[in-house]
Amino acid sequence: AQSVTQLDSHVSVSEGTPVLLRCNYSSSYSPSLFWYVQHPNKGLQLLLKYTSAATLVKGINGFEAEFKKSETSFHLTKPSAHMSDAAEYFCVVSNQAGTALIFGKGTTLSVSS
Amino acid sequence: AAGVIQSPRHLIKEKRETATLKCYPIPRHDTVYWYQQGPGQDPQFLISFYEKMQSDKGSIPDRFSAQQFSDYHSELNMSSLELGDSALYFCASSPRLPGADTQYFGPGTRLTVL
Repeated sequence: AQSVTQLDSHVSVSEGTPVLLRCNYSSSYSPSLFWYVQHPNKGLQLLLKYTSAATLVKGINGFEAEFKKSETSFHLTKPSAHMSDAAEYFCVVSNQAGTALIFGKGTTLSVSS
Repeated sequence: AAGVIQSPRHLIKEKRETATLKCYPIPRHDTVYWYQQGPGQDPQFLISFYEKMQSDKGSIPDRFSAQQFSDYHSELNMSSLELGDSALYFCASSPRLPGADTQYFGPGTRLTVL
């Protein structure tokens, strides 16, 4: 069965410093992987998606993620954090049939000035 | 761009009552998914539909049922509500194309059961 593990439940950074949110996946097939962001009391917004076309995926708002098959990782990064980046981030894998998404437990990103 | 529409946005019910949540997918999207997000939890998949047929089923209680209509909108019906059903319910949609498994989420319906 497929699953994702987000290695940090909470990450705190200062504004202007790099962001690293870590995610490992487990899958018996070549997975589709996603990062979604959820701001407080808001819906889920797609940041980026990996589908095997390229290992480095660029998303919205300056975020990017690198797929590393050898490490079964899909970490999310951003060179410089902004206050508006404070939110809950979910690493997500699609099931093999593409009929459902499986979410990680989420990482809360806090950004201080 | 048009997004997924969910109604109502907020709903308050008493225990043992029923609730109906509605979802209107993005135009030309024919697949709809429902998720439940409890307080402080990650979203859990409930059920999905493609072309009005159930395509997959997750951890949906027997008290819940859902369907997709000819205009592709979907309704989630919840009966005998329990306190534990209080959650944010998301609907998502996607086009049914090869490799098109990206799901676009609505703003959610916050259900509170008293």
